[in-house]
Amino acid sequence: QSALTQPPSASGSPGQSVTISCTGTSSDVGGYNYVSWYQQHPGKAPKLMIYEVNKRPSGVPDRFSGSKSGNAASLTVSGLQAEDEADYYCNSYSGSNNLGVFGAGTKVTVL
Amino acid sequence: EVQVLESGGGLVQPGGSLRLSCAASGFTFSSYTMSWVRQAPGKGLEWVSIISSSGGTTYYADSVKGRFTISRDNANNTLHLQMNSLRAEDTAVYYCAKRSSRAATDWGQGTLVTVSS
Repeated sequence: QSALTQPPSASGSPGQSVTISCTGTSSDVGGYNYVSWYQQHPGKAPKLMIYEVNKRPSGVPDRFSGSKSGNAASLTVSGLQAEDEADYYCNSYSGSNNLGVFGAGTKVTVL
Repeated sequence: EVQVLESGGGLVQPGGSLRLSCAASGFTFSSYTMSWVRQAPGKGLEWVSIISSSGGTTYYADSVKGRFTISRDNANNTLHLQMNSLRAEDTAVYYCAKRSSRAATDWGQGTLVTVSS
């Protein structure tokens, strides 16, 4: 089961937007609307930011949005703030293992 | 407030065993699928195992199949992971997470498992 493909890094200035891509296959991202995104600060547990492609859990700012087209998903963080600097991981349900598959993570830097 | 709290991590020799536990509160434990996710030092996240709400269905990553066993005690709101035949590559922080909509919605703080001689 191959990991989803994410860029290793992304950056933006405060107030700007950054978009992180997540590419899979028809067996995961393209086959199901079960893409989720997680934010992880150093030394902390991951936090769910987006589930089912574009839904935000209660308490997650609407600056975070998700989308999907074909075998690729993306997370956009608008109005970047200093506290958004973190690692971001995408995940998709996979029919191959019934568990899911994560991307390798993208480190977002706020310049 | 949903809370999950892992325990049981530590240092173990290769080939040894360890049992992780996760105490859950703040939600109806018996209604939710639960999961274990691990993160090796400096690496990304990996699903280890999930268990259905009743405990009747389990799935494992290929990397741990046949060595790890997930179980749950719905009467005591507790999730377990029995890890046998541990290898150096099993060294990681292990997170317990409530699972809904095929996502890990609520995470514990993690417990570190180190496999080394």
